[in-house]
Amino acid sequence: DAGVTQSPTHLIKTRGQQVTLRCSPISGHKSVSWYQQVLGQGPQFIFQYYEKEERGRGNFPDRFSARQFPNYSSELNVNALLLGDSALYLCASSLQGAPSEAFFGQGTRLTVV
Amino acid sequence: QKEVEQDPGPLSVPEGAIVSLNCTYSNSAFQYFMWYRQYSRKGPELLMYTYSSGNKEDGRFTAQVDKSSKYISLFIRDSQPSDSATYLCAIDTNAGKSTFGDGTTLTVKP
Repeated sequence: DAGVTQSPTHLIKTRGQQVTLRCSPISGHKSVSWYQQVLGQGPQFIFQYYEKEERGRGNFPDRFSARQFPNYSSELNVNALLLGDSALYLCASSLQGAPSEAFFGQGTRLTVV
Repeated sequence: QKEVEQDPGPLSVPEGAIVSLNCTYSNSAFQYFMWYRQYSRKGPELLMYTYSSGNKEDGRFTAQVDKSSKYISLFIRDSQPSDSATYLCAIDTNAGKSTFGDGTTLTVKP
């Protein structure tokens, strides 16, 4: 069975640019959550989507947005990139959003120069 | 003050040692307590979760929660070199918006 897949695996962008990260959840999972993990820190919650509706949002600026598609895949968009946005972006999928059933992808390593 | 504080490490132990990893939290509303293992350049992998005070065992791993003290621990018995990784505690209100500690990096030396 395929796990959570994220693309791309690595990305280098310039300050001020926009980026789109993609996540395909495990088949049958209807919830996707996005986390940002800065080097040396734990993941920080950005968004949760369930059945294509936003269920929760973390303490991130409006430059961060996301959506979930009918097939439950998801995109995370970040506008006007800052150097501080450099991080590992993680996607977690679960059946219904419960924290005890979350499976993480490998992440997308974003570097902003 | 962070909602979850994790012993920073790094931790280096000989193979076969018992390892203790610890976190404290501040919000009594948290109900779910998880431990994740993260290998270098990989996503976190859920090791164990519990939602009640007490101990929960799974093989060489024991998760311990003390809600009165807001303290959670993970014990690893008979540690192996393959256990070398960063361990993250996480807590949640069952809303799926987990709050993570900053991780403890463990090295088990053969």
